[in-house]
Order: sequence, then structure tokens, then C-alpha cells
Amino acid sequence: DAGITQSPRHKVTETGTPVTLRCHQTENHRYMYWYRQDPGHGLRLIHYSYGVKDTDKGEVSDGYSVSRSKTEDFLLTLESATSSQTSVYFCAISELQGAYEQYFGPGTRLTVT
Amino acid sequence: KQEVTQIPAALSVPEGENLVLNCSFTDSAIYNLQWFRQDPGKGLTSLLLIQSSQREQTSGRLNASLDKSSGRSTLYIAASQPGDSATYLCAVNTGANSKLTFGKGITLSVRP
Repeated sequence: DAGITQSPRHKVTETGTPVTLRCHQTENHRYMYWYRQDPGHGLRLIHYSYGVKDTDKGEVSDGYSVSRSKTEDFLLTLESATSSQTSVYFCAISELQGAYEQYFGPGTRLTVT
Repeated sequence: KQEVTQIPAALSVPEGENLVLNCSFTDSAIYNLQWFRQDPGKGLTSLLLIQSSQREQTSGRLNASLDKSSGRSTLYIAASQPGDSATYLCAVNTGANSKLTFGKGITLSVRP
């Protein structure tokens, strides 16, 4: 398995509070991604990073921000959590060369009450 | 905009049956296609990746094919087992920063 960890694995928070999810990789891959998975919608890309300090928006980026200050860490922040952000969040990594295969972390289940 | 469709959403088969899971996509300009498996409450496990220049890939009892011109891929599972019960997702990589577009998945149940 690719060395990807996510923390926390589970979190319950209240509407309006800030939340930060962390993705950590030990593979030294250049690309990192944040997806959310919801029933009826499947997996959708929130933000991605193509290098340290290089990030861009995905399909559902409103209400989310990201930061990547080191190759191994990619942070996803919900500035003011809303109930619509209750979801399972997955981090993924990919290398620039070769097959471009993506590997996924175990996920974080976030509940906003 | 790339759209990926997987039909049906759920499938139930008896153990030992050979089965085919379908995936279709609207834009044939893809870099590769990945098939994933997801067990309930778990992350995604990559099963097979097919490059756009390839026609198929095999791993054990799994065989994935790709017909780029028609926008279709199939995942063939031979001699299905109860342990194969899971949700199978296909995802298309259009090459732009390797972003994936996912189908909604097929939930497979293999009955003993």
C-alpha cells in the first residue's frame, strides 16, 4: 500500500467552526488531491496540488482552501463548516512520470452538526 | 466536460459466475483509465490501470479492457467469490494534472 495517512479519521464539529484535515505521504509524489465522496454524487475533486505551494481548484472548491508547504503534507481547510460539507474526504497522490496511477488514503469521515 | 457512467448501480450474482462490469465515458481524449475497489467504510484500492495506448490489462482473475474510440471500458471478473463483494469504480484521467473523473460505482454482491 502507498504510504498515505489522513488525520483525523473521524471528526464531528459544529456549524460555523473551522476544520483542518491533514494528508501525509511518504512516497515523495509530486501530485496530491482532495476528493469528497457523497451518496448519489460519487467522488468529486475539491482541490489538488502539483508541487509545493502550487495548488488549483477542482470541481467543488467553494468553501474549501488548501495549503502545501512541504512535499509530504497537504492540508484541507473548511473555514466555516456547514452541514453540506458533511462527507467522507479522501486524499490521493500521484507521480508525474510513468503511469500516473493514483493511490488513495483511508479517508476522513466528517460530520457537521 | 468529461462524464463517466457505470450501469447498473448494483448487481447480485451467485458465486462462481463470470461477470462483466461496464464503464462508459463521453470524451475519448483520455490519458488512462483506472478501476478501483472500495469496501464499505474503507478507502479505494487500485485494481488495474490501462493506458490510452493499451487495449487490456490483467491481474489474477481480473481483466480490464479499453475501447477509447467508443468510450467504453469493461472489468471482467472470472469465477466470482463472496470476497469480491464490494463497490467497483472506474475513473478516467484526462491528463490535465492527472485529475480523475469518477463514475458512481457498481455495488457487487456475490452470493455464496
